[in-house]
Amino acid sequence: GENVEQHPSTLSVQEGDSAVIKCTYSDSASNYFPWYKQELGKRPQLIIDIRSNVGEKKDQRIAVTLNKTAKHFSLHITETQPEDSAVYFCAASPEEGGYNKLIFGAGTRLAVHP
Amino acid sequence: SAVISQKPSRDICQRGTSLTIQCQVDSQVTMMFWYRQQPGQSLTLIATANQGSEATYESGFVIDKFPISRPNLTFSTLTVSNMSPEDSSIYLCSAWDRGRSGGGYTFGSGTRLTVV
Repeated sequence: GENVEQHPSTLSVQEGDSAVIKCTYSDSASNYFPWYKQELGKRPQLIIDIRSNVGEKKDQRIAVTLNKTAKHFSLHITETQPEDSAVYFCAASPEEGGYNKLIFGAGTRLAVHP
Repeated sequence: SAVISQKPSRDICQRGTSLTIQCQVDSQVTMMFWYRQQPGQSLTLIATANQGSEATYESGFVIDKFPISRPNLTFSTLTVSNMSPEDSSIYLCSAWDRGRSGGGYTFGSGTRLTVV
């Protein structure tokens, strides 16, 4: 089955710096890679996702890159702000559309210091 | 975007008892997914619930311990049976949100279970 590894487990940056979180996956059949942000005591919130036919996707200060050959994908947050502090999870699935399960990475606790 | 209502939001239960968690989606979905998130940990899939058939359980999770119902395309329940303190966790349901631009899996607000 699919296995998703995520690094680093914790990340501390100064406000305004960039943050990068990396994930690798094992199943070459995986084609859908979402990222979730979870604030303390709240549900995971989908912040960006990428499909296997795309190498990069941006949404304002966040971007995700995908390298299918190497089986890894990364989350990039630029100009970090204190409100970006949260736990971030990557995930992988064989397909989008709600018919397949998500397998999650272990999570990265991001702290942005003013 | 789809909204998933989950209840109860939290409960404290005695060991040996059972708790049923409910999730209601405001649109029809084929699959619903149940996850467990232990304190400070990631999300682990318990089972996938498809309307009209038995749920599919992940390794380490069994139907006798976590029975699931899926009576229609908008509703599902997860029961945590014969609870022990090790079952203390957050339980989350999830489904695909077609209303979101490009779609995506969305989550209920979670049930924080404490077993004493």
